[in-house]
Parts: sequence; structure tokens; C-alpha cells
Amino acid sequence: DADVTQTPRNRITKTGKRIMLECSQTKGHDRMYWYRQDPGLGLQLIYYSFDVKDINKGEISDGYSVSRQAQAKFSLSLESAIPNQTALYFCATSVGAGRLPDTQYFGPGTRLTVL
Amino acid sequence: GQSLEQPSEVTAVEGAIVQINCTYQTSGFYGLSWYQQHDGGAPTFLSYNALDGLEETGRFSSFLSRSDSYGYLLLQELQMKDSASYFCAVRDYGVGSNYQLIWGAGTKLIIKP
Repeated sequence: DADVTQTPRNRITKTGKRIMLECSQTKGHDRMYWYRQDPGLGLQLIYYSFDVKDINKGEISDGYSVSRQAQAKFSLSLESAIPNQTALYFCATSVGAGRLPDTQYFGPGTRLTVL
Repeated sequence: GQSLEQPSEVTAVEGAIVQINCTYQTSGFYGLSWYQQHDGGAPTFLSYNALDGLEETGRFSSFLSRSDSYGYLLLQELQMKDSASYFCAVRDYGVGSNYQLIWGAGTKLIIKP
């Protein structure tokens, strides 16, 4: 079984719809992240969470919200999807606790298309 | 501003050696990491340098020079399966960074038979 799972893997939706992407992990890591990747570009951090009660905005949080329901679950929501949010979304985890390099472990990604 | 620069694409021949460079400009520095991503796949961790010098892991090596704000990933005995994108990422500890990773745009490595 995969350590970091994301659902759905693919989603096509229409402008204005609310969308939720879900991430679950069995690695027991405290830290979880949501990234966005556009074609030919690197990863842009949307939100990150150091634990259930600690959630922080990343560099591109506008238009997105998150919920950390448990240590193992971190959800990303698009309240009103727009076409320029079409991208590949990755969830990642890391152990944190001051341990370098604090390697990040990624889920398989969700390909989101907003029409 | 904070930025990482790496070539967008590199082409090499199977069996050869290739070097992928990364220069960074960040308010703080707490290590340089490299990740590999195959088309349609998730990034996976390759290596990490916190101190100057070369780190070797099998066919892959990574180098860091903090005084030059520069690092590179060296891939030896290239195999077709090494065709992927390679990202450098710097952990920044500058004000407001919260020790997060800053990512380069990635280098697409094309390997020819």
C-alpha cells in the first residue's frame, strides 16, 4: 500500500464549482503539504501544516483553503474553481522534528482541470 | 527575492556522464536537496548537501559550494530510466520562510541511445 494517497487522481470540473482534494498518509509524519505544479514549472507551496493545530499559508494560498482533520489527513479545497487553477496537485509529508534534510514524500498527484 | 536557477533541459547519451547545475539566491540557506520526477509521477528525494563538498550515492553525486551559492547533480553511467526532470530545492530560514523548501523550475534530462 502507498504511504501517501490522494483522491481523486483526476478531476474535471466547471468554473465556480467547489472542489475538495484529499490526502491521507500512513507514514506517521507530523508535517503535511499541498503543492501545485504547472507544466514546465517547479512546485509552488499552497499550504502546509506542522501538526493538526498548526496550519500555514504558502506562497500561493489565494483561492484555496485547507483542513487538517487528523494527523493522517489533510484536505485542500477550491471554494470556487477557476480555469487558471488547472494544474497537477501534490500532497507531501515529512517527519519534521528538526531532522534534516526533512525529506518530503509525495503522493501520486491529482490532475485537476477546470473548464 | 528568492530564486533558484537551473537549465530547463539537458541532453546526454546513454552511458555518459551529465551534470545539472543549480544556483540559488535566498535570504537564508539550510541545505540543498535534489528530487527526481518522471513524467506523470511524483517527485522523489535523491540527495541532500548541507556542507560544502561532494556527496555520493551510487551513480548519483551531488556537490555544494556555499560561497558560490551553487550546486550540481552528477549522474554517471546514464541509463534510459534516468530520463526525468530533476529539481533542486533550498531550505530557507530567512524571516517569514518558516524553513520551507524553495524549488527550482526543474531540468528535463533527455537521454539518447
